Amino acid sequence: GDSVTQMEGPVTLSEEAFLTINCTYTATGYPSLFWYVQYPGEGLQLLLKATKADDKGSNKGFEATYRKETTSFHLEKGSVQVSDSAVYFCALSDRGQAGTALIFGKGTTLSVSS
Amino acid sequence: EADIYQIPRYLVIGTGKKITLECSQTMGHDKMYWYQQDPGMELHLIHYSYGVNSTEKGDLSSESTVSRIRTEHFPLTLESARPSHTSQYLCASSAGTGGSAFFGQGTRLTVV
Repeated sequence: GDSVTQMEGPVTLSEEAFLTINCTYTATGYPSLFWYVQYPGEGLQLLLKATKADDKGSNKGFEATYRKETTSFHLEKGSVQVSDSAVYFCALSDRGQAGTALIFGKGTTLSVSS
Repeated sequence: EADIYQIPRYLVIGTGKKITLECSQTMGHDKMYWYQQDPGMELHLIHYSYGVNSTEKGDLSSESTVSRIRTEHFPLTLESARPSHTSQYLCASSAGTGGSAFFGQGTRLTVV
C-alpha cells in the first residue's frame, strides 16, 4: 500500500541555519504531496503542496520539489527562525484511488534556538 | 482561513462514560477524517467518510464509532471511555480526490 517515510527527529538548529527534512513515498497511483506543520497545542496546517512531477511548492520561505524519479519531496528552508519550531509532517493523497485518505509520515520535530 | 471546528478542545472524563467529540466544517467538503495522535506525534487514521451515509474504518483499530448524516457534521462517539482512549483526536476535511485536507484544532481527551 501507499506509504510515506520521513527522517526521524528531533532536528535541532541555530537561527539562520539551513533546513532539510527528507521525505520519500511509495504510491500505486498519481499522488499529490503535502507538507503540514503543527505548532504546540494546535491542529495541522497545510504548509505547501505539489500535485505533479517537477512541481515546486513554496510558502513562508519553505520549498519542496516533487521528484518522481526519486519518489521524494524533501522540505527545505534557507534560513530558519525560532518561530519555525514545530512538528513537520509529509503526506500524500493518491489521486489514482478515489477517496483515499491522506497518508502521513511520522513527523519530524524541529527546534530552532537563537 | 479554513472553517473546521472541533468541540470541545479539552475534555477530562471518567472511565465508563459515553462521550461524543464534535466536528463541523462549513466548506462543503465531501470527505472527512478522524485521526488519533499519540504522544510521539504520529497520526493514525481511525475513521473516514467519503460523503453522507458513508463511513469507513481506518488503519488503527478503534472502539469508537462515527456517523455522517449531514455533509458538514462528523461526530465521533466512544460508548464507554477507558484510560487507553486518552489521546489527541484531530478531525479533518477535504474536497475531491487528491485535495488538501484542513484540520480542526483537535480535542485533547483524558480518561481518568
